Amino acid sequence: DTAVSQTPKYLVTQMGNDKSIKCEQNLGHDTMYWYKQDSKKFLKIMFSYNNKELIINETVPNRFSPKSPDKAHLNLHINSLELGDSAVYFCASSQGTGVSWYEKLFFGSGTQLSVL
Amino acid sequence: KNQVEQSPQSLIILEGKNCTLQCNYTVSPFSNLRWYKQDTGRGPVSLTIMTFSENTKSNGRYTATLDADTKQSSLHITASQLSDSASYICVVSAESNYQLIWGAGTKLIIKP
Repeated sequence: DTAVSQTPKYLVTQMGNDKSIKCEQNLGHDTMYWYKQDSKKFLKIMFSYNNKELIINETVPNRFSPKSPDKAHLNLHINSLELGDSAVYFCASSQGTGVSWYEKLFFGSGTQLSVL
Repeated sequence: KNQVEQSPQSLIILEGKNCTLQCNYTVSPFSNLRWYKQDTGRGPVSLTIMTFSENTKSNGRYTATLDADTKQSSLHITASQLSDSASYICVVSAESNYQLIWGAGTKLIIKP
């Protein structure tokens, strides 16, 4: 009964390909996120959706497109993959905006993307 | 500029010993401070969340402190266990602009 699950765990692909990562949460949360963790281990927010609406869209190449079919799912599609896209991508969810003291973020286990 | 800095970058201690990790922040307006534990190959898991009015909060062998005046926090781990080996990340919330500012983490290794 994983609270936030994302697939696949590992993704190895060639430059120029298009790939998707899927995320689902069963916590009944309103808000879902995509984070990128690079080789220096900083977690950087990419997108945030609240009840299927985009509320945070950081400076991310438009090759990255999030899609939220319902509030329990947030998928990430990446077009024309580049070497610099190699990283670990984490999905997360929270109730509300996630910034108040009573709103924890719950993370998935991550997707290790390797672009060759 | 909103920033969170952690020290040390990495730390190796023997099982059973105590350790303290540091977090300094320059985030305004401050709302709350969180410590997360991230095991290798896993997502971060919340350990504590503290508001400006709290100066100590414990979660088992983990005790976080907060000094909102000096903008410093520490995470003290007592009687370390092998399972404490992980990265510990300090995160500060700037509520008015819905931001979470993440530190780079401290990588802790516990040796038997």
